[in-house]
Amino acid sequence: GDSVTQMEGPVTLSEEAFLTINCTYTATGYPSLFWYVQYPGEGLQLLLKATKADDKGSNKGFEATYRKETTSFHLEKGSVQVSDSAVYFCALLRGSGNTGKLIFGQGTTLQVKP
Amino acid sequence: GAGVSQSPSNKVTEKGKDVELRCDPISGHTALYWYRQRLGQGLEFLIYFQGNSAPDKSGLPSDRFSAERTGESVSTLTIQRTQQEDSAVYLCASSIQETQYFGPGTRLLVL
Repeated sequence: GDSVTQMEGPVTLSEEAFLTINCTYTATGYPSLFWYVQYPGEGLQLLLKATKADDKGSNKGFEATYRKETTSFHLEKGSVQVSDSAVYFCALLRGSGNTGKLIFGQGTTLQVKP
Repeated sequence: GAGVSQSPSNKVTEKGKDVELRCDPISGHTALYWYRQRLGQGLEFLIYFQGNSAPDKSGLPSDRFSAERTGESVSTLTIQRTQQEDSAVYLCASSIQETQYFGPGTRLLVL
């Protein structure tokens, strides 16, 4: 069945460091891919998405490129801030049309130190 | 506009009791989803409703779990005869297209 695998955390970085959180997926076809973020004490919110191969999603300085050759959707940011400390979830959409269930990775905790 | 709302925000119950969790989706969103997040784990899909179609119940972990939705509005997730392993945060989401918008969740603790 479909699945998403993320790098294990926690990931601890100093402010202004480069961030990569790896995400790979197993699925039939080419599902839409997402990164969601959960800040401390807050609900889950969409960070970025890509709906087809070679698309790049971007938001708040974060980027991820849909790579069908490597079935990956790695999250990157050039310079992290303390405020980026959160749990990051990679997910794929499995369904028909524009709706369906999200299949999530296990989440990666990012801690950014000043 | 208003986001997805869920109630109660916290629920403590005793093993064996039934609980009902409520979700109010964003107005106009035709699809509604329930997920579960157990401590230290990722989110598990439970069930989703899309318009008038039969719900996708493939993620429900046992027949103690059920959910209903009234038209394109409120949904209720019911857990009968709760067990300690049901302790988790139950998240509701709604969508009109691909992006799902999540509520704050109901934190359920079964003693």
